[in-house]
Amino acid sequence: SYELTQPPSVSVSPGQTARITCSGDALPEHYTYWYQQKPGQVPVLVISKDSERPSGIPERFSGAGSGTTATLTISGVQAEDEADYYCQSADRSGIYVFGTGTKVTVL
Amino acid sequence: EVQLVQSGAEVKKPGESLKISCRGSGYSFGAYWIGWVRQMPGKGLEWIGTIYPGDSDTRYSPSFQGQVTISVDRSISTAYLQWSSLKTSDTAMYYCARTHGHPDYWGQGTLVTVSS
Repeated sequence: SYELTQPPSVSVSPGQTARITCSGDALPEHYTYWYQQKPGQVPVLVISKDSERPSGIPERFSGAGSGTTATLTISGVQAEDEADYYCQSADRSGIYVFGTGTKVTVL
Repeated sequence: EVQLVQSGAEVKKPGESLKISCRGSGYSFGAYWIGWVRQMPGKGLEWIGTIYPGDSDTRYSPSFQGQVTISVDRSISTAYLQWSSLKTSDTAMYYCARTHGHPDYWGQGTLVTVSS
């Protein structure tokens, strides 16, 4: 079945930039969304439609897409950004799919 | 205010059946897809499938086709996820979410534990 591939983990020092990639063959055909999930909490949308930041999400979160790869960038990482991050899109049939997830650790 | 309220935690034995629920309020329930998401302990999010309450059109992810059944009762604004014969590997948190291109509102989650 269709998969969206993310790196398992990303480590970054406070104030530095974290970049998380999401790769999938059908990404050019559908929007990519990004979710942040902290332990014991419901996922929170941080990027919508490839690059739109929902209301209330800090400006340090940004998204971009290029072909079969989407990227979530967190600029000036803060301790509170430590969480799991998931991309979400759809396969060619329109069935939704989540990425494999990336654990962001703030050193 | 849009809200999705899920049924409470369940503890079941292998082979038993189960139906968990997700009640929507604060919006036109029949106009938005409802999706179900699985998160096994310490693991990532997995999309199970979606249902459109307006006509009960249902779509399953290939990994879950035949393993679960998604249904809806529009008269009480409630969607369901059910199993006919649970396995220990069904132990997970299950979330429902209103879906409009993507999950935009989430339920609080229902923890299902299957153990002998």
